[in-house]
Amino acid sequence: AQKITQTQPGMFVQEKEAVTLDCTYDTSDPSYGLFWYKQPSSGEMIFLIYQGSYDQQNATEGRYSLNFQKARKSANLVISASQLGDSAMYFCAMREPHSSASKIIFGSGTRLSIRP
Amino acid sequence: NAGVTQTPKFQVLKTGQSMTLQCAQDMNHNSMYWYRQDPGMGLRLIYYSASEGTTDKGEVPNGYNVSRLNKREFSLRLESAAPSQTSVYFCASSEGWGWQETQYFGPGTRLLVL
Repeated sequence: AQKITQTQPGMFVQEKEAVTLDCTYDTSDPSYGLFWYKQPSSGEMIFLIYQGSYDQQNATEGRYSLNFQKARKSANLVISASQLGDSAMYFCAMREPHSSASKIIFGSGTRLSIRP
Repeated sequence: NAGVTQTPKFQVLKTGQSMTLQCAQDMNHNSMYWYRQDPGMGLRLIYYSASEGTTDKGEVPNGYNVSRLNKREFSLRLESAAPSQTSVYFCASSEGWGWQETQYFGPGTRLLVL
């Protein structure tokens, strides 16, 4: 069963607009961490933001915020005031403490393209 | 402070050849990981090392071996490369082992097996 689902393979957004990238997850463990990574065309994986399952508030890091809806098992990434440099692949990921390896499970990604 | 470094950046192999991908981190992290990324997909874990001297299999270990040489270095070896191993390989490290630990990634190695 897929544990991380990103339903938007690609998105186009006008520069300076806000954008929401969807992510839903599946776990029966009460303890887990949720991550978003950015992968620009150069290929590296850049950590953006983290949300813990017990965190009461939504995580924010500069223009990035994570809309965490625990009951819906949703962890959407919101980018405010998008910039041309935001064009990249974005991966949602989850880490569980009791999996056979404490590894990060990645979604299939969303390709975001910012139009000038 | 270079973070996580990987060598080489790009490699072409013929089927049956062997090679070792090198990874080093200067963040004094305990845990290190090797992932592969195939086109249109997220990353899949090949092997990981929770601490110096220990290694364990991940999701897709077949055809690979690893060595945790010391705390800084974690290498991935392909003994007999196959075209199915054409991929981008990422090394990552994290300070600990828990579900709150963020993994930091190297720049990747693009491997083409002909």
